[in-house]
Amino acid sequence: DQQVKQNSPSLSVQEGRISILNCDYTNSMFDYFLWYKKYPAEGPTFLISISSIKDKNEDGRFTVFLNKSAKHLSLHIVPSQPGDSAVYFCAARVQGGSEKLVFGKGTKLTVNP
Amino acid sequence: AAGVIQSPRHLIKEKRETATLKCYPIPRHDTVYWYQQGPGQDPQFLISFYEKMQSDKGSIPDRFSAQQFSDYHSELNMSSLELGDSALYFCASSSLFWIANTEAFFGQGTRLTVV
Repeated sequence: DQQVKQNSPSLSVQEGRISILNCDYTNSMFDYFLWYKKYPAEGPTFLISISSIKDKNEDGRFTVFLNKSAKHLSLHIVPSQPGDSAVYFCAARVQGGSEKLVFGKGTKLTVNP
Repeated sequence: AAGVIQSPRHLIKEKRETATLKCYPIPRHDTVYWYQQGPGQDPQFLISFYEKMQSDKGSIPDRFSAQQFSDYHSELNMSSLELGDSALYFCASSSLFWIANTEAFFGQGTRLTVV
């Protein structure tokens, strides 16, 4: 049972345009959400996070939106750059002291020059 | 800045052998997590430790065991290796992750290949 779902395995955008990566979750006990970026043969690198008490968090070119009623979050990258090409994982943490992260299957983003 | 260090980076073992993976967390981080990522799969949580005590357990086979030592480094011991154990094993560390909203930092992973 996949509690964190990234339904698009891949996404291709043009340099300078907006990249929108989507993530849906089923567990209403999730209270903290994170996005990680992963290059081949490297560990996931933290990108941005959002607490369930917020609906938006922005850090430079990266913005994460959270819609709790829809159990949906999205990562916006504006403008997209070729160096953003990587696999992006959405992760969530369960409320109540269990600190493990539950990951989605990832979306491979390709930004074309 | 110091990051999470994992060793070895690559490991090749035969079936039924034993492997030990090591993880050195970021200084002053008290929590270590282990994840397994199979080919084309999302990272799956295995086990975590806080202050040298097991704090949570995921889909870790009984053939695997882990511990966190007094210097906070952690070791994942894998015995009776099977072909299906071939994967990337990531270690992550954090500090008070479940109290403060901080992120977990990942190491570069150990690629285990069982032949």
